[in-house]
Amino acid sequence: EDQVTQSPEALRLQEGESSSLNCSYTVSGLRGLFWYRQDPGKGPEFLFTLYSAGEEKEKERLKATLTKKESFLHITAPKPEDSATYLCAVANNAGNMLTFGGGTRLMVKP
Amino acid sequence: NAGVTQTPKFRVLKTGQSMTLLCAQDMNHEYMYWYRQDPGMGLRLIHYSVGEGTTAKGEVPDGYNVSRLKKQNFLLGLESAAPSQTSVYFCASSTDSIGQPQHFGDGTRLSIL
Repeated sequence: EDQVTQSPEALRLQEGESSSLNCSYTVSGLRGLFWYRQDPGKGPEFLFTLYSAGEEKEKERLKATLTKKESFLHITAPKPEDSATYLCAVANNAGNMLTFGGGTRLMVKP
Repeated sequence: NAGVTQTPKFRVLKTGQSMTLLCAQDMNHEYMYWYRQDPGMGLRLIHYSVGEGTTAKGEVPDGYNVSRLKKQNFLLGLESAAPSQTSVYFCASSTDSIGQPQHFGDGTRLSIL
C-alpha cells in the first residue's frame, strides 16, 4: 500500500525566511510525484510533477526536488501570498489512483 | 476557459435524502475523478473514470455511485445520505493517464444533518 507523509503539519515563517517542506513516500514503482497548492475554500492547484530521483523543478520562489524516498519543496524568500496548504501525492505504475499526504499548512507573516 | 466546474457549491441534506453532484470539464480530458477531503484524512479517491462510459472504484466508494455518460461530465450520486458523508467533495480531470497532473474544481461543501 502506497503511503505519503508530509511534515511539518504547519509552518510559520516571517517574510523572507526561507525553509523546506518534506514529503516522505513509499510506493510500489513510482509513476510520478505531484505537488499542489490549496488555498482556503479552493481546490488544489497543480505546481509540479517529478518523475525520477534527482529531478528538480522551479517556479518563482518554489523549487521541488526528488529522491527515492522523499521530496522537498523549498521556498526561497517567501511572501505572504505564498501562505497556503501544500499537498504532495504519488502515483504508482500499477494503478490509476493518486495517494495524497495530509498537507503542510504554510503561514508567511509580513 | 472554465476548467473544472462543480455544482452545487454548497448543500445541506437530511439523513436519508439523495442528491447528485455534477462535475463538468471543458479541457477534453479522458480521466475524471471524485475525491472527498476531510480534516486529518487528506484527499481520498471515491470513484474515477478513464473514459466516457467507464467507471471504477477508488479508495472509499461505499455509499456513492457515479456515471460518465458524456466525456465532459462526471456525476456523483448519494442514494441515501448519512452524516458520515459530510465532507468537501472535489472533482478533478487529467489528460490520459495517472502520470499526468490532475486539475481540480473548487469543491462542493456538503453537510448531512
